[in-house]
Amino acid sequence: GAVVSQHPSRVICKSGTSVKIECRSLDFQATTMFWYRQFPKQSLMLMATSNEGSKATYEQGVEKDKFLINHASLTLSTLTVTSAHPEDSSFYICSARDAQRPQETQYFGPGTRLLVL
Amino acid sequence: DAKTTQPNSMESNEEEPVHLPCNHSTISGTDYIHWYRQLPSQGPEYVIHGLTSNVNNRMASLAIAEDRKSSTLILHRATLRDAAVYYCILGGGGADGLTFGKGTHLIIQP
Repeated sequence: GAVVSQHPSRVICKSGTSVKIECRSLDFQATTMFWYRQFPKQSLMLMATSNEGSKATYEQGVEKDKFLINHASLTLSTLTVTSAHPEDSSFYICSARDAQRPQETQYFGPGTRLLVL
Repeated sequence: DAKTTQPNSMESNEEEPVHLPCNHSTISGTDYIHWYRQLPSQGPEYVIHGLTSNVNNRMASLAIAEDRKSSTLILHRATLRDAAVYYCILGGGGADGLTFGKGTHLIIQP
């Protein structure tokens, strides 16, 4: 199946700093990528849809100025958590859909564990 | 997004078949049925998906009811590595993100 990678796999930062998480589709092109987060013992929640070459669309309740998304190429989307606070500590997961097969399923990255002290 | 209903947890024995049910009575004609599974501290792993016909792959089989209001994921011979949370999700493809429910926590007994 298609491979999606994320970097870093885990990050610890101080409150008030910004953290960038990368999501890459390794063997396919993705015009659309998605960002989710998952709090302990909860299910994944969609945060935003990242569109190559255009602005991301955010789900209700997700602050676009706090979670900056850039999708500069067909294989890379980045999520920057700005001025991170302890409540932003979570498991962040991206997914991507193959541009050549838009009706097919999404493929997920391994996730990034963020801990804000 | 159309909603799915799954049992919170199921238990099975190693090397036996497992049938994981999912109800989706409000499914629309264009919704695909996707199954993913997630191990602790990992991203969801694609298992299988289908639209109307039953589907088979190396991981599992997907049996879809004729009226499409329910489906069953079948693991033919469970192993300990199949212990995970299994999510049944409806999606129309295109630019839609996926709405995850609570899934079914599958426990495999040795």
